[in-house]
Amino acid sequence: AQKVTQAQTEISVVEKEDVTLDCVYETRDTTYYLFWYKQPPSGELVFLIRRNSFDEQNEISGRYSWNFQKSTSSFNFTITASQVVDSAVYFCALSEGMDSSYKLIFGSGTRLLVRP
Amino acid sequence: NAGVTQTPKFRILKIGQSMTLQCTQDMNHNYMYWYRQDPGMGLKLIYYSVGAGITDKGEVPNGYNVSRSTTEDFPLRLELAAPSQTSVYFCASSYSQGRGEQFFGPGTRLTVL
Repeated sequence: AQKVTQAQTEISVVEKEDVTLDCVYETRDTTYYLFWYKQPPSGELVFLIRRNSFDEQNEISGRYSWNFQKSTSSFNFTITASQVVDSAVYFCALSEGMDSSYKLIFGSGTRLLVRP
Repeated sequence: NAGVTQTPKFRILKIGQSMTLQCTQDMNHNYMYWYRQDPGMGLKLIYYSVGAGITDKGEVPNGYNVSRSTTEDFPLRLELAAPSQTSVYFCASSYSQGRGEQFFGPGTRLTVL
């Protein structure tokens, strides 16, 4: 069965610290897609990244980086030199290749608090 | 482009009342979705549509209905509201090719008392 687990419910760091948000997924499909979304206090959902199962290359975008490891079914997200504006709930999500609806299966989210 | 718009932003219902949550997208996306987000939880799929005239149930469809008469609009109907339907409701849309990201609306916060 498909599942996304974000074991860290809440993380609190001081500004400029690095922080890693963990995401572990379960799927029987060999083709699948992984996503990260950010939900700031205002409540909207902001897309951060999409990665397909055939591309294990890590990605860096400014202070954000993602580590995709199929061997451990993980897709972790690191924020370098965190800032107060990074405070939000972050969701990892999975879309299975055999699912023609393209629906997203969300983890329960990790709330990140960055203190000044 | 306005993207995905939802109305209303907030609503309080009494038990047993009905209402329709509106969702419109102007990106010509075929795929549209309704999710609900309960406090401290991730989003769960209520209904989805892969094109005008085609809808299907998601993970938590009970107590809801949808229709898709046009590409742009995907309203969600709550019949006989119950306290368990207190949640934040998000509408989303996506392209049908390439498994791209879903674009989300701003959400509707619904309270049933």
